[in-house]
Amino acid sequence: GDSVTQMEGPVTLSEEAFLTINCTYTATGYPSLFWYVQYPGEGLQLLLKATKADDKGSNKGFEATYRKETTSFHLEKGSVQVSDSAVYFCALRQNSGGSNYKLTFGKGTLLTVNP
Amino acid sequence: GAGVSQTPSNKVTEKGKYVELRCDPISGHTALYWYRQSLGQGPEFLIYFQGTGAADDSGLPNDRFFAVRPEGSVSTLKIQRTERGDSAVYLCASSPRDSPIYGYTFGSGTRLTVV
Repeated sequence: GDSVTQMEGPVTLSEEAFLTINCTYTATGYPSLFWYVQYPGEGLQLLLKATKADDKGSNKGFEATYRKETTSFHLEKGSVQVSDSAVYFCALRQNSGGSNYKLTFGKGTLLTVNP
Repeated sequence: GAGVSQTPSNKVTEKGKYVELRCDPISGHTALYWYRQSLGQGPEFLIYFQGTGAADDSGLPNDRFFAVRPEGSVSTLKIQRTERGDSAVYLCASSPRDSPIYGYTFGSGTRLTVV
C-alpha cells in the first residue's frame, strides 16, 4: 500500500536558519503530494501541494518540489521564524482509482524555532 | 459555519464506557472524513461519508467503532466499550466533493483519553 516517510524530529533551529524536512513516498501511479502544518492547539492546515512530477508547491516562504525520480517531496524554507514552530506532515493522495479521497500521512516532524 | 467544528475538544472517559464525538462540517460540503491521530503518529484514515452514506469504513479498527451522518451534515463517531488504546486525537475533515482537486478542511480535533 501507499506510505510516506518523513524525517524524524524534533528539529530545533534558530530564527533565520535554513529549514529542510525530508519526505519520501511509496505509491502506485502518480499521486498528489501535500505538506500540512499543525500549529499548537489548532487543526491541520494545508501548507502547499503539488499534483504532478516537477511541480513546485509554495506558500508562506515554504517550497517543495515533486521529484518522481527520487519519490521525494522535501520541504524547504530559506529563513524560518519563531512563528513557524509547529508539526509538519507530509501526505499523499491518489489522483485516480477507488481510494482517491484518502490521505496517507507521514508521522510528522516537530519544528521548534528559537529567537 | 466558517470551519469544521468538533465537539468536545477534550474528552476523558473510563475504560469500558461509551463515547460520542461530534463533527459539524462546512455547510454544503458533501464529503466528510474521520481520521485518528495517535501520539507520535500521523493521522490515519477511519471512514469516509459521501452524503448520508458511509462510502468507505475500511479504516475503522473494529466493531466497537461506528459512525453516522443521518442528514448528510453533522456526523457522530461512536465508540463502545472504550479501551486505553483508543486514546488519540480524532480528526474530522470535510470537502465540497470527493475529487482530489478539492482540498480537505480539518477541524481542531477531539482529544480522547481513556483512563
